[in-house]
Amino acid sequence: DQQVKQNSPSLSVQEGRISILNCDYTNSMFDYFLWYKKYPAEGPTFLISISSIKDKNEDGRFTVFLNKSAKHLSLHIVPSQPGDSAVYFCAASARDNNDMRFGAGTRLTVKP
Amino acid sequence: DAGITQSPRHKVTETGTPVTLRCHQTENHRYMYWYRQDPGHGLRLIHYSYGVKDTDKGEVSDGYSVSRSKTEDFLLTLESATSSQTSVYFCAISGGWTEAFFGQGTRLTVV
Repeated sequence: DQQVKQNSPSLSVQEGRISILNCDYTNSMFDYFLWYKKYPAEGPTFLISISSIKDKNEDGRFTVFLNKSAKHLSLHIVPSQPGDSAVYFCAASARDNNDMRFGAGTRLTVKP
Repeated sequence: DAGITQSPRHKVTETGTPVTLRCHQTENHRYMYWYRQDPGHGLRLIHYSYGVKDTDKGEVSDGYSVSRSKTEDFLLTLESATSSQTSVYFCAISGGWTEAFFGQGTRLTVV
């Protein structure tokens, strides 16, 4: 029972363009959402997060959008850079239940 | 970087043998997690802990047990290793229900 889904296993974009990574969730109890970035042979690193009381959070080139009615969130990276090439994981957690659930990941390739 | 260390980093073991992976933190965080990463599945939660001697099961807990006798250490034990438990295991720590910090991972191969 995968409660967090990333349906695109891979995404390729040109340097300078926008990258949009998508994530869907099924558990309405989730109230905190996160994106992690992972390079090969390293642990995931936290990138950006959003609380369910907001619909947008921005940090430099990274913006996360949350649509609670659709149970959907997205990560926008603009402009994309070759160093952004990595696997991106979407994650969700609930305040009263601290098990954090992850999606399957999307491999982003930014071409120079 | 958060102070979190996993050991060993790599291990090869035989089917049927018990294996213990260790996660050590220096951040005094309350929550600790064990995940496994497999192609096509992302990170799946095995067990987590919300305090000393307080643990709970995740989504793929069968064949695994955990122990947390002190705040800084969270042990994951494969009671009798099987080939399906070949994976990369990640430990994570968190101060609450927000962002977690991950270790470097342990690559386990069961032959």
